[in-house]
Amino acid sequence: ETAVFQTPNYHVTQVGNEVSFNCKQTLGHDTMYWYKQDSKKLLKIMFSYNNKQLIVNETVPRRFSPQSSDKAHLNLRIKSVEPEDSAVYLCASSTGLGDYEQYFGPGTRLTVL
Amino acid sequence: AQRVTQVQPTGSSQWGEEVTLDCSYETSEYFYRIFWYRQLFSGEMVFLIYQPSFDTQNQRSGRYSVVFQKSFKSISLVISASQPEDSGTYFCALSELYDTNAYKVIFGKGTHLHVLP
Repeated sequence: ETAVFQTPNYHVTQVGNEVSFNCKQTLGHDTMYWYKQDSKKLLKIMFSYNNKQLIVNETVPRRFSPQSSDKAHLNLRIKSVEPEDSAVYLCASSTGLGDYEQYFGPGTRLTVL
Repeated sequence: AQRVTQVQPTGSSQWGEEVTLDCSYETSEYFYRIFWYRQLFSGEMVFLIYQPSFDTQNQRSGRYSVVFQKSFKSISLVISASQPEDSGTYFCALSELYDTNAYKVIFGKGTHLHVLP
């Protein structure tokens, strides 16, 4: 049963465009995450938020910006996409501050032409 | 350098066999947790089991258990009575303190398991 929802499922765009991905969780969790999974399936944390506050901010290009309106929503905006941004972006949520199991959404596959 | 290493990129087993997937990690923290997740072919990531560093007892959850060797910084996931539905990519993940207010999770590269009928 899906409790972490992501939209869109897929997005194809051209270099230089702006894209936005949405994530919503209905689990009542305080913490949400964005991960990037590359073509080799390597999963890397990008950001995590706790109660709308940024708590983990890994070294990602400035064109990536997370946005949290409340603890149930965490969106990701990419300004001026590059080819290397092609990947699957996974959203997750958990209780705690990253020390408990995470529940993942189905992912958004981004293809940059 | 990789912080979480899964040396087996692929593995296979026959229906009903016990499967062991290995993971090693690097950390200087005393308190940490190791998680195991499975990614289905659809891309969905599912939590399986976790081991806290301070617990010397190997954790169990249904058909999943772990063999935790803290002094060697290694942990294995054991799947008993494997089934074709267990096929997928298994990820080991280390959760350790990032700063005073957050933990960061570092994933291994995964082991793709194929259970044959």
